[in-house]
Amino acid sequence: KAGVTQTPRYLIKTRGQQVTLSCSPISGHRSVSWYQQTPGQGLQFLFEYFSETQRNKGNFPGRFSGRQFSNSRSEMNVSTLELGDSALYLCASSLGGGVRETQYFGPGTRLLVL
Amino acid sequence: AQSVTQLGSHVSVSEGALVLLRCNYSSSVPPYLFWYVQYPNQGLQLLLKYTSAATLVKGINGFEAEFKKSETSFHLTKPSAHMSDAAEYFCAVSVLGGSQGNLIFGKGTKLSVKP
Repeated sequence: KAGVTQTPRYLIKTRGQQVTLSCSPISGHRSVSWYQQTPGQGLQFLFEYFSETQRNKGNFPGRFSGRQFSNSRSEMNVSTLELGDSALYLCASSLGGGVRETQYFGPGTRLLVL
Repeated sequence: AQSVTQLGSHVSVSEGALVLLRCNYSSSVPPYLFWYVQYPNQGLQLLLKYTSAATLVKGINGFEAEFKKSETSFHLTKPSAHMSDAAEYFCAVSVLGGSQGNLIFGKGTKLSVKP
């Protein structure tokens, strides 16, 4: 089975621009979570989608948004980029997002904001 | 609220020596605990997880961890370090009744292995 894939792998943007990142989960997985990883803050939960609905959201401003499609693929969007948005963005998939379930992570998208 | 503390942001061991990476959790309800490993420029890979069955959990690559409720700990060990174990290790927690799809991670411990 193919793993979680994320595109693009690397991205350079300038302040004020917006960006869209894509995540394709493992086949059959319906839950997709997004995390931001930075050296200072570590791994922080952004949001989780299940069956095209956002079920949970972390403590991030409204500039961070996402969606999920009927095939479980997910996108996250960051509008009005700030320098502090530079990070590795990881998505993870699981069967149903249950708290006991293993989340399988993609390789991440590294975003640099100049 | 749940939280995870990983003692030691950097740990260095010699090849063949014992690896011990510490993780303490805080939770008012029984936790589910995970250890993940991250190699440079890669995502996270699950090493092992505790979901209230056996307290001693064996994972991949020779790693194991023991859940100790009295100490609120879930330390990761490996009897003999290999050069390929050099990576960053993350402990994470979720809880029954918690938000789905939301793992709470510790800050991570970077493991170096000296030849």
